[in-house]
Amino acid sequence: QVQLMQSGAELKKPGASVKVSCKASGYTFTGYYLHWMRQAPGQGPEWMGWINPDSGGTNYAQRFQGRVTMTRDTSISTVYMELSRLRSDDTAVYYCARAYLSESYYFDYWGQGTLVTVSS
Amino acid sequence: QSVLTQPPSVSGAPGQRVTISCTGSSSNIGAGYDVHWYQQLPGTAPKVLIYGNSNRPSGVPDRFSGSKSGTSASLAITGLQAEDEADYYCQSFDRSLRGYVFGTGTKVTVL
Repeated sequence: QVQLMQSGAELKKPGASVKVSCKASGYTFTGYYLHWMRQAPGQGPEWMGWINPDSGGTNYAQRFQGRVTMTRDTSISTVYMELSRLRSDDTAVYYCARAYLSESYYFDYWGQGTLVTVSS
Repeated sequence: QSVLTQPPSVSGAPGQRVTISCTGSSSNIGAGYDVHWYQQLPGTAPKVLIYGNSNRPSGVPDRFSGSKSGTSASLAITGLQAEDEADYYCQSFDRSLRGYVFGTGTKVTVL
């Protein structure tokens, strides 16, 4: 069965960086784009960008460009999302999700989420 | 930040029908991009409920249905059950933002 397993909760100080991992299993890793979303307390999900696990190509949401980097390691079927220059309003649960193409892309499998808390 | 607007909450008695609207604009839903719906139970990740405006993934009860018209979409839940208490989000693509967008979210309460 398809599973996306994310790394554990992180506590970071303002100005630091955080790197969250997402290990895929149960399907061909290079066959589907993986996206990252985040969800601040009491708010809806916010799309951050995607990575093509096959080529390593990426596309980031405008508001995160310059601060986010998505990478992958095909040998262990894992993608990473690194967010730098953290601020208190980056406190959120971060999710990876697989994009499935029907007539358009939607997110059919999600990781369990990683809580990132930014506090001094 | 959300460009798709949903009512904050809807409620209904068990067995009733409720609908959730998702209002966008000419750069997302009105541009022809599909709408997808997700259900999020407390403390868990979102789960796809409706994809491609009106399609249900395997395992989703037919009590859930979706539709789209113009710059809006709707999710209907018929025969409301206690287990349907959750947050619901619509999602589409926005060509101005060149990215995926989610709705503001609607909390469904079963009275």
